[in-house]
Amino acid sequence: EDKVVQSPLSLVVHEGDTVTLNCSYEVTNFRSLLWYKQEKKAPTFLFMLTSSGIEKKSGRLSSILDKKELFSILNITATQTGDSAIYLCAVGPDKLIFGTGTRLQVFP
Amino acid sequence: GAGVSQSPSNKVTEKGKDVELRCDPISGHTALYWYRQSLGQGLEFLIYFQGNSAPDKSGLPSDRFSAERTGGSVSTLTIQRTQQEDSAVYLCASSRLGTNEAFFGQGTRLTVV
Repeated sequence: EDKVVQSPLSLVVHEGDTVTLNCSYEVTNFRSLLWYKQEKKAPTFLFMLTSSGIEKKSGRLSSILDKKELFSILNITATQTGDSAIYLCAVGPDKLIFGTGTRLQVFP
Repeated sequence: GAGVSQSPSNKVTEKGKDVELRCDPISGHTALYWYRQSLGQGLEFLIYFQGNSAPDKSGLPSDRFSAERTGGSVSTLTIQRTQQEDSAVYLCASSRLGTNEAFFGQGTRLTVV
């Protein structure tokens, strides 16, 4: 059965801290891994990773995929209160299977 | 359209009634997904459409749930004889052929009373 596991489930940090969110997966016919940020209802797209070892970067956020060990990490440096959200990882060949997410809370 | 559009944004219904939720995907997107998110939970896959292929219905929780996609565009998720445990946010997403980069609508919050 296809499975996506995220850790930690919850994280509380202060502004300026750096955080690392983890996503491991087991899925047949892997094509891509995606990261989303969910603040209210609609998850918003962050990154899509298809190849091992190539870092994707957007501002203070970056992500990398390891297809041999079947995991990805999402790094956020110099966190801000606006980074507070649930971060979701999804994997698919076709339909996307989501993990349960990591709830990040950033306090001033 | 500019983004994925879902309607209604909120729906309150009485237990036992049928409901229809609508999703209008981004123009040109061939793939359409439905997910359900209960309070404090992750996204639960319901159904996936890709072009004219047979849909992947493996996530539908019971035969009270069905979905169709007319003309390869608009999709309707129907829940018959609603029950309180159906209360959740129903999210729709779409993506272009050949990529998993899916974009989500704002969701429909369904409350069964």
